[in-house]
Amino acid sequence: SQTIHQWPATLVQPVGSPLSLECTVEGTSNPNLYWYRQAAGRGLQLLFYSVGIGQISSEVPQNLSASRPQDRQFILSSKKLLLSDSGFYLCAWMEAGGQPQHFGDGTRLSIL
Amino acid sequence: GDSVTQMEGPVTLSEEAFLTINCTYTATGYPSLFWYVQYPGEGLQLLLKATKADDKGSNKGFEATYRKETTSFHLEKGSVQVSDSAVYFCALSDYNFNKFYFGSGTKLNVKP
Repeated sequence: SQTIHQWPATLVQPVGSPLSLECTVEGTSNPNLYWYRQAAGRGLQLLFYSVGIGQISSEVPQNLSASRPQDRQFILSSKKLLLSDSGFYLCAWMEAGGQPQHFGDGTRLSIL
Repeated sequence: GDSVTQMEGPVTLSEEAFLTINCTYTATGYPSLFWYVQYPGEGLQLLLKATKADDKGSNKGFEATYRKETTSFHLEKGSVQVSDSAVYFCALSDYNFNKFYFGSGTKLNVKP
């Protein structure tokens, strides 16, 4: 069966520090991969999605970036974090063809 | 563009009450529709889905029917339990199946 792993679960970082969040999927090949951000008490904002290795689509301008160095690995990065980057970050995967998205457990990021 | 609108919360009910959470959508083509549930501090879990008009998705006593004529996918449950307290998200997948569009979420509080 397919599983998705996302880490770390929680992270506290100072303003201006770099960021790297990692997400990996097991048990499937060539999945679509997604990064979302959820502000406290709010809905989901799609940040990036990828339909293949090296293919990244950005949905909103920001100081975050994403990379997909391997088929089942999706990384969210920043060179310098802002206070506004605080939130709950969710990774998700989906097989092509209208199937459901499946979510990781999320990373709670707090910027001090 | 595609979008999902769901009723604002929070919704507060007593145990064993009937639940309806309204969801309407705007989409080109023929999207698939989904309901997800999010418990505190966790990622989203797929609750149910429907892939074509008049399909009824059901799971754990929850039901939703894909109504093309009213562009709706309302979530219902006949008798809620305290353990159903969570945030519920309505979502659709676009025609090309690469992106999901989520509603803003509805928080459900069930009191004993």
